[in-house]
Amino acid sequence: EVQLVESGGGLVQPGRSLRLSCAASGFTFNSYAMSWVRQAPGRGLEWVSTIGASGGITYYADSVKGRFTISRDNSQNTLYLQMNSLRAEDTAVYFCAKAFRGWAPFDYWGQGTLVTVSS
Amino acid sequence: EIVLTQSPATLSLSPGERATLSCRASQSVSSSYLAWYQQKPGQAPRLLIYGASSRATGIPDRFSGSGSGTDFTLTISRLEPEDFAVYYCQQCGYSPFTFGPGTTVDIK
Repeated sequence: EVQLVESGGGLVQPGRSLRLSCAASGFTFNSYAMSWVRQAPGRGLEWVSTIGASGGITYYADSVKGRFTISRDNSQNTLYLQMNSLRAEDTAVYFCAKAFRGWAPFDYWGQGTLVTVSS
Repeated sequence: EIVLTQSPATLSLSPGERATLSCRASQSVSSSYLAWYQQKPGQAPRLLIYGASSRATGIPDRFSGSGSGTDFTLTISRLEPEDFAVYYCQQCGYSPFTFGPGTTVDIK
């Protein structure tokens, strides 16, 4: 059974940093691209970032480019999102998601972890 | 960036009725790269349709997708109580892998 479990969310002040993790199991992690998608309270889905299976290729939404870094540790079956210079508008539930094929769509999702950016 | 527009924003229907949801892209999207998701409150999204018309594993055949170019449609042939939810389209061909704003299907 495929499982994706996010962790690392919480309350953080504007301008500070946070690192999210996503522990994957039940599939060959190093064979699939992985992504982060966020959802602000009461809002729709926003794609954030995608990383290729080997970690060599990454993509970012303009809204996070230069502030967020996606990475993965294929030996630990874990996906990461390093978030720096956080802003109030980054407040959201962050989901990790597995690519069905290629870069997208996403066939498995974690339960999400809430990041709240507030002073 | 490919911008996706979904209509209507809200669709109010009764169980047993047919639902037709639209997703329009700002530029042509290969049919191979258009997906639909369902999301219920407090839950992660669930992949329904990929490649514009292929059902994901375990998705009932009352869900169908169609379309090409810039116009795509998700049809739910007969609404079941569990189908009342928010539906998003996504283009998967080019970064940024944008989502539409969603269509809420609620009970009339």
